[in-house]
Amino acid sequence: QSVLTQPPSVSGAPGQRVTISCTGSSSNIGAGYDVHWYQQFPGTAPKLLMYANNNRPSGVPDRFSGSKSGTSASLAITGLQAEDEADYYCQSFDGSLTGPYVFGTGTKVTVL
Amino acid sequence: ELQLVESGGGLVQPGRSLRLSCTTSGFTFRDYAMSWVRQAPGKGLEWVGFIRTKRYGGAPEFAASVKDRFTISRDDSISVAYLHMNSLKTEDTAVYYCSREIHNTWGNWYFDLWGRGTLVTVSS
Repeated sequence: QSVLTQPPSVSGAPGQRVTISCTGSSSNIGAGYDVHWYQQFPGTAPKLLMYANNNRPSGVPDRFSGSKSGTSASLAITGLQAEDEADYYCQSFDGSLTGPYVFGTGTKVTVL
Repeated sequence: ELQLVESGGGLVQPGRSLRLSCTTSGFTFRDYAMSWVRQAPGKGLEWVGFIRTKRYGGAPEFAASVKDRFTISRDDSISVAYLHMNSLKTEDTAVYYCSREIHNTWGNWYFDLWGRGTLVTVSS
């Protein structure tokens, strides 16, 4: 059961900027816990894309960036490329009984 | 090479049990907590449970949806984590991923490595 809400889909033309929101509550993002992002291509395992709100693991292009404010976080992709078409999930820590790990509902990014 | 490989999935009848294995290599297994995350067909990611390192007591924790039916164990001598699933339900049908956890400051916990997953189908 996801407690972090994401838009089901976002789309953009190559080269454009798209953002994915991740809305939580006072028991997770709003409590100050960090947000992390994963990228998943069809039929493959998720891959860590962003950790601790705005840190990219080695090998992740700098066109991906993250931010967090209040009870929400965002992932931005600038200079959208065809290879960015995938599903994206946010994840945070939750201090309530649902925790400790909670995922977002997932967002499908489509490159037009 | 850092690697996580899940095995043990398959078709199982409702009410039966199944054990999944996560065989790891390329890192010091005993130093990391390990999680299981599942993904039902066409659905999103759902955290199932994790097991702490022996240094922190080795106890597992579970999502409410599987608590009292699933358990997790680890064998640090062979770098393998297990997911023991009992009283399986049709809604447990999913790809089950094993993942390595990173615990930084309290609450800054995430998954930096994932296996390819193993499919569990619960059906009569």
